[in-house]
Amino acid sequence: DAKTTQPPSMDCAEGRAANLPCNHSTISGNEYVYWYRQIHSQGPQYIIHGLKNNETNEMASLIITEDRKSSTLILPHATLRDTAVYYCIVLSALGSQGNLIFGKGTKLSVKP
Amino acid sequence: DAGVIQSPRHEVTEMGQEVTLRCKPISGHNSLFWYRQTMMRGLELLIYFNNNVPIDDSGMPEDRFSAKMPNASFSTLKIQPSEPRDSAVYFCASSFRSQETQYFGPGTRLLVL
Repeated sequence: DAKTTQPPSMDCAEGRAANLPCNHSTISGNEYVYWYRQIHSQGPQYIIHGLKNNETNEMASLIITEDRKSSTLILPHATLRDTAVYYCIVLSALGSQGNLIFGKGTKLSVKP
Repeated sequence: DAGVIQSPRHEVTEMGQEVTLRCKPISGHNSLFWYRQTMMRGLELLIYFNNNVPIDDSGMPEDRFSAKMPNASFSTLKIQPSEPRDSAVYFCASSFRSQETQYFGPGTRLLVL
C-alpha cells in the first residue's frame, strides 16, 4: 500500500503556481519523499526528492514540513504541458529495497 | 544520454503466443526495474535486478512471466503463454543504485487478443 495521501485532482490556471499537497504521516526518519509525474501515454518522469530540507531544481520546489508528515510540490509557473498525474512516493534509503510504490496520485489539469 | 530504451513500443498478439519485451537501461546504472500499468491496478512493480541479479520478483503475477538480465545493458520480460488479462503498459526503469532516482522508459503497450 502507498504510504501517501494525495487529492485525486486539482486545477491550475496557466502561468500560476501549482501547489500539490501530499500527506505522509507515517514516514520514518530514513525515508525520502519523491515526486514523479506521468504525462498521458508516457513513462513516469522524476521531478524532485528530499529528506528534511526544502529542495529546488529547474522543474519544481519541494517544501517538507518540519515534522516531515506532509509536503508540497510547487510548480512555480504552470504551463499546459504540466498537465499530468503527479505521484508523491516515500522511499526508504536503507537496505536493498528500492521499489517505488505508486498510489493513485493527483491529476493536475492546467487550464488556459 | 539516450535514456532507457524499450522495444517494441507496441505489441499486438493472440492469446497463447509468447511475448518478449526488451529493455536497455541507462549506461552505468546498476539497478533495473520492470513495472506494469493497468487502469484497474495502476503502476505496480513486477521485478527488479541489482547488478544483473534478480532481487525481488514477488510482483511477478505467475509462472507465465519470467525476466532475465544477461548483462548490464540488456533485460527481457517474457510472457508465455500470453492471456488477454496481460494487456497493459509495461515500463522498464533503471537507477544508479536501487535506493536512488529511477528513470523510466517510454513503455511497451501490449494488447493480447
